[in-house]
Amino acid sequence: DSGVTQTPKHLITATGQRVTLRCSPRSGDLSVYWYQQSLDQGLQFLIQYYNGEERAKGNILERFSAQQFPDLHSELNLSSLELGDSALYFCASSVSLSGGASVRDTQYFGPGTRLTVL
Amino acid sequence: GENVEQHPSTLSVQEGDSAVIKCTYSDSASNYFPWYKQELGKRPQLIIDIRSNVGEKKDQRIAVTLNKTAKHFSLHITETQPEDSAVYFCAASMTGRGAQKLVFGQGTRLTINP
Repeated sequence: DSGVTQTPKHLITATGQRVTLRCSPRSGDLSVYWYQQSLDQGLQFLIQYYNGEERAKGNILERFSAQQFPDLHSELNLSSLELGDSALYFCASSVSLSGGASVRDTQYFGPGTRLTVL
Repeated sequence: GENVEQHPSTLSVQEGDSAVIKCTYSDSASNYFPWYKQELGKRPQLIIDIRSNVGEKKDQRIAVTLNKTAKHFSLHITETQPEDSAVYFCAASMTGRGAQKLVFGQGTRLTINP
């Protein structure tokens, strides 16, 4: 158990719908990262938040958005869902960020949310 | 941006033998290289990582080597056991200015044959 929690574990919805995935980082971690894992694309970085602020962006679609709240939990919002959005969505957290890539940068992954769009 | 290539995509070895997985990266500014193990349907779990200021790191049966000049790094597993069977991912990232973007390789499915 990494200490990162994600809800829900499974989500089944229809095309065109909107869903929200939730992540709670490990105690003391300030950074939260979101990843998408699909069979054909592997693990893709979506977005990173640090202490409430967006810090890095990857291949995140405009239909997707995220935020990190004052209690440091994060939510990933997926809207206008398409069949191709079906995937495992992982959240990861790390303590903080330093300029020299220290042990505090190590990312620990949550158990994931499996999204199925029908 | 960063691009990470990982080989082989599948690897089958006899129990007790060694396994080697190789990755190359494109961005010379990358300074952090973790390896994750993922069992079917589960979370990626960090097994070892290396930072750009060292060339090699070892943890029991697992070792990672980094060649910054050639921009490649490798995972070595010795005395393989059936529980080592999983998908292994390498990743590269440039950490700094408060940001970290892990770019993953496509994964290697390792099968240990008893």
